[in-house]
Amino acid sequence: QKEVEQNSGPLSVPEGAIASLNCTYSDRGSQSFFWYRQYSGKSPELIMSIYSNGDKEDGRFTAQLNKASQYVSLLIRDSQPSDSATYLCAPGGNEKLTFGTGTRLTIIP
Amino acid sequence: GAVVSQHPSRVICKSGTSVKIECRSLDFQATTMFWYRQFPKQSLMLMATSNEGSKATYEQGVEKDKFLINHASLTLSTLTVTSAHPEDSSFYICSARIAGNQPQHFGDGTRLSIL
Repeated sequence: QKEVEQNSGPLSVPEGAIASLNCTYSDRGSQSFFWYRQYSGKSPELIMSIYSNGDKEDGRFTAQLNKASQYVSLLIRDSQPSDSATYLCAPGGNEKLTFGTGTRLTIIP
Repeated sequence: GAVVSQHPSRVICKSGTSVKIECRSLDFQATTMFWYRQFPKQSLMLMATSNEGSKATYEQGVEKDKFLINHASLTLSTLTVTSAHPEDSSFYICSARIAGNQPQHFGDGTRLSIL
């Protein structure tokens, strides 16, 4: 089993809708989780950190963590074309981050 | 906060040249810095993990004599690609982290093109 699994997409969402990105991980000891956004040709950018079970909201972004199910998700409300990018999740707490392959999200105007 | 500066942003040079890339954490002290490589349309690939004052830990398949990493201070790490060849052309990205449970913060990357 891969350490981090994400649906590679592409995921197409109409502008204004909610985009839902999912990630499962294998290390039960992971205590922190990070979502990064990577535009084509650019380096990753941290958009959300979550450390405890439940939801964490930041503007249009909501991260949801369920440690029992080893599942973390990212919701993007009111999706905009500028949200089109690859989204990477990574469990933290270890010597190095293990990134998923990323989900490519396209927002359709 | 948590700004990582990476220079240069782009390098074009002849085969056989050695290229040095700098990564600096500007507003925090980074206990650990990381170097990644990314080929077009592929995932990030971790090359090595570097702790200040220690030898870098290289991932399997990464040649330590080809990719020299120096982490002399808590705010600076350098990657030197020695005797670069066209197959080394790629997007090199560094990141820095304050502590184990904290996120990595990425530099803007260096696009290396070897002619």
